[in-house]
Amino acid sequence: DQQVKQNSPSLSVQEGRISILNCDYTNSMFDYFLWYKKYPAEGPTFLISISSIKDKNEDGRFTVFLNKSAKHLSLHIVPSQPGDSAVYFCAAISGNTGKLIFGQGTTLQVKP
Amino acid sequence: DAGITQSPRHKVTETGTPVTLRCHQTENHRYMYWYRQDPGHGLRLIHYSYGVKDTDKGEVSDGYSVSRSKTEDFLLTLESATSSQTSVYFCAIRETGNEKLFFGSGTQLSVL
Repeated sequence: DQQVKQNSPSLSVQEGRISILNCDYTNSMFDYFLWYKKYPAEGPTFLISISSIKDKNEDGRFTVFLNKSAKHLSLHIVPSQPGDSAVYFCAAISGNTGKLIFGQGTTLQVKP
Repeated sequence: DAGITQSPRHKVTETGTPVTLRCHQTENHRYMYWYRQDPGHGLRLIHYSYGVKDTDKGEVSDGYSVSRSKTEDFLLTLESATSSQTSVYFCAIRETGNEKLFFGSGTQLSVL
């Protein structure tokens, strides 16, 4: 039973355009959401996060949006750069359990 | 990265043999996690620890056991390795009050 889902395995965008990565969750107890980026042969690295009491968080080119009623979050990257090409994982955590659950990941390719 | 070391980095073993993976941190963080990464499944939580001798199961705990006798070390044991446990294993740490996990570089395990 996948509590965090990323339904798009891959995404390809042109350099300079917007990349939008989507994530859905089922557990209403999740109170914090995170995005991680992963390059081959490396561990995932933290990118940006958002608390369930907010609907938007911005950090430079990266913005995360949260729609609690739809149990949906998205990561926007503007403008996209070739160095952004990587696998992106969304994750959710419940403060009560301490468990961080990840989605399946979306492979982003930014073409020059 | 973030004072977290996984060993070994690579291991090849035979079906039915016991295997232990080690995660060592120098950050004195309370929480430690073991994940496995597989194509199409993303990162799945195996076990996690919220303190010395305090552990709990994750999403895919069958066939795995863990131990944490010291704050700095979290061991993952495959009692009798199977080919389905061929994967990349990541350890992660988290400090209390901070939802971000910091990951190690991973262990590539092949069970033949």
